Amino acid sequence: DTGVSQDPRHKITKRGQNVTFRCDPISEHNRLYWYRQTLGQGPEFLTYFQNEAQLEKSRLLSDRFSAERPKGSFSTLEIQRTEQGDSAMYLCASSLPGTNYEQYFGPGTRLTVT
Amino acid sequence: AQKITQTQPGMFVQEKEAVTLDCTYDTSDQSYGLFWYKQPSSGEMIFLIYQGSYDEQNATEGRYSLNFQKARKSANLVISASQLGDSAMYFCAMRGPLTGNQFYFGTGTSLTVIP
Repeated sequence: DTGVSQDPRHKITKRGQNVTFRCDPISEHNRLYWYRQTLGQGPEFLTYFQNEAQLEKSRLLSDRFSAERPKGSFSTLEIQRTEQGDSAMYLCASSLPGTNYEQYFGPGTRLTVT
Repeated sequence: AQKITQTQPGMFVQEKEAVTLDCTYDTSDQSYGLFWYKQPSSGEMIFLIYQGSYDEQNATEGRYSLNFQKARKSANLVISASQLGDSAMYFCAMRGPLTGNQFYFGTGTSLTVIP
């Protein structure tokens, strides 16, 4: 069990550029979540996958954000035309089926938009 | 609407003492789950403890216990025998009532353990 991994750990980009983050969940975890966390705040839910199906998407998520989990394993989160307000830590978490839904988080990707 | 409220931005506790971190929640559903997570300065969120809304007993996990008062809609975390390594941010979270797939986190409490 290697834990949830995320890549890259840090990303600096210029406003208007597109960025893509990757998350590898713990194997056998069919549930995968993306969150955004800004300084001094708790994680904010973005989207949820069960296997390859995206079942939940926050209303706060603009059309510039898209996520995929094509084979039900790793997931990607893309942000198009980045804005300075997108600067945050992006967290990925996974959980097992048939549990109380406790989530195991990755180390996060810190995005800075200049 | 704010679903999880943590009113203590910062707390201090003497090493080896117990500390209670407050959490209140808002839901009209009967079935829900409550969680506590720890986030050290390294940034990685660590699951601590879970309480289901139908659980009659308060959850315990080692030095962590959850003081669940359903009528008051509170789910306070109690850490006994504090250690220096307990210094971190602590987040209370609730699994969303409708589908169970959305999670709502509070703003967190920063705990500092004093030697």
